[in-house]
Amino acid sequence: DGGITQSPKYLFRKEGQNVTLSCEQNLNHDAMYWYRQDPGQGLRLIYYSQIVNDFQKGDIAEGYSVSREKKESFPLTVTSAQKNPTAFYLCATKASGTGLYEQYFGPGTRLTVT
Amino acid sequence: DQQVKQNSPSLSVQEGRISILNCDYTNSMFDYFLWYKKYPAEGPTFLISISSIKDKNEDGRFTVFLNKSAKHLSLHIVPSQPGDSAVYFCAASAIIQGAQKLVFGQGTRLTINP
Repeated sequence: DGGITQSPKYLFRKEGQNVTLSCEQNLNHDAMYWYRQDPGQGLRLIYYSQIVNDFQKGDIAEGYSVSREKKESFPLTVTSAQKNPTAFYLCATKASGTGLYEQYFGPGTRLTVT
Repeated sequence: DQQVKQNSPSLSVQEGRISILNCDYTNSMFDYFLWYKKYPAEGPTFLISISSIKDKNEDGRFTVFLNKSAKHLSLHIVPSQPGDSAVYFCAASAIIQGAQKLVFGQGTRLTINP
């Protein structure tokens, strides 16, 4: 059963704690992305990775960190430096190749920090 | 700087009628456009797309129109069905800093009334 898994679905943390969100894919896609969605806003890009062992900052990378040690995995750490961490986090993947634009999304993780 | 805008936060349509969702963009470098559908607490799913060299693409009940001179695209759903009730995001693709990225609009919440 191919796809993208994000776990857990809901995550609760106390302010000041780091938390890591999981994203795993078995689509054999090279590129992976992390977005956050806030109410009334579109998806904003946090980090992306086009290939293993390489990643780049997106539009709102401050307070976040990532790693890409395996093709299948792209975990996101929300650090205590992120001022407004409560949000819905989405992981996406994309196949490489000319003319391929579609990104596929996982089911998301809702993070609540109190 | 919002490069992709969906100016209608919400739209209500009667079942069986046509739903028209609009999207405007500012960056002439966008070369491909996509529409995604999103249910609450789920990841977006791809709906339909269009290349910048075309002005129309149709897939069943869904048609996307692109007006490059006006930098405007629209999604038509006809006939509208209750299951179409969701948030719809338009996204525009461009090569930014050497990587293919999607820029998303804020989304339009479509409600189909029986």
